Amino acid sequence: EIVLTQSPATLSLSPGERATLSCRASQSVSSSLAWYQQKPGQPPRLLIYDASNRATGIPARFSGSGSGTDFTLVISSLEPEDFAAYYCQQRTDSMYSFGQGTKLEIK
Amino acid sequence: EVQLLESGGGLVQPGGSLRLSCAASGLTFNNYAMSWVRQAPGKGPEWVSAIGTTGSGTYYADSVKGRFTISRDNSKNTLYLEMSSLRAEDTAMYYCAKRYCSTSTCYGAFDSWGQGTLVTVSS
Repeated sequence: EIVLTQSPATLSLSPGERATLSCRASQSVSSSLAWYQQKPGQPPRLLIYDASNRATGIPARFSGSGSGTDFTLVISSLEPEDFAAYYCQQRTDSMYSFGQGTKLEIK
Repeated sequence: EVQLLESGGGLVQPGGSLRLSCAASGLTFNNYAMSWVRQAPGKGPEWVSAIGTTGSGTYYADSVKGRFTISRDNSKNTLYLEMSSLRAEDTAMYYCAKRYCSTSTCYGAFDSWGQGTLVTVSS
């Protein structure tokens, strides 16, 4: 099983600031990595697929990068609606796993 | 617009069984692999199981292998999860999720999710 480790667990920032979230895989997942945003009481929402491609309707302030074992999600300038939990997720050999999440909170 | 509607959750005793359903609309269901993902209260999502477009390929997380069975009925646009030997640690919101495919390629991500059905395992 591939384990995804996200850091930091909590990130405290203000609107307008830049957020950098990390996800590290226990072994290479190539580029098969996705990022999700989740707000309380809602299912996860796909932001980024294949490490760096924005999903339909996702604003340009969200960007993903990385390959192999190290990945990054950047939110260039935080909007009030961006404060939420973020999860990375991988698929290898038809099996999936999620990271434990980063909570992005208002400072 | 793709809609996924889960049902079948509820309160069940440890060792009991439950069958979840996910009714899909707004898509050509038999074109997409589907998964079940669960989320325990206050925790992150956990992938549970996946099934290919025809139902011939099925995959399970180690935590549920041998206890849960995923299936689909493409004539009814419905995904199922048969759960048995349930444990307290199976308590979670269960979501069905559709694998994302562009016009040419399918990716390892989920672009459509239902609202979930809550399973509580308790005596």
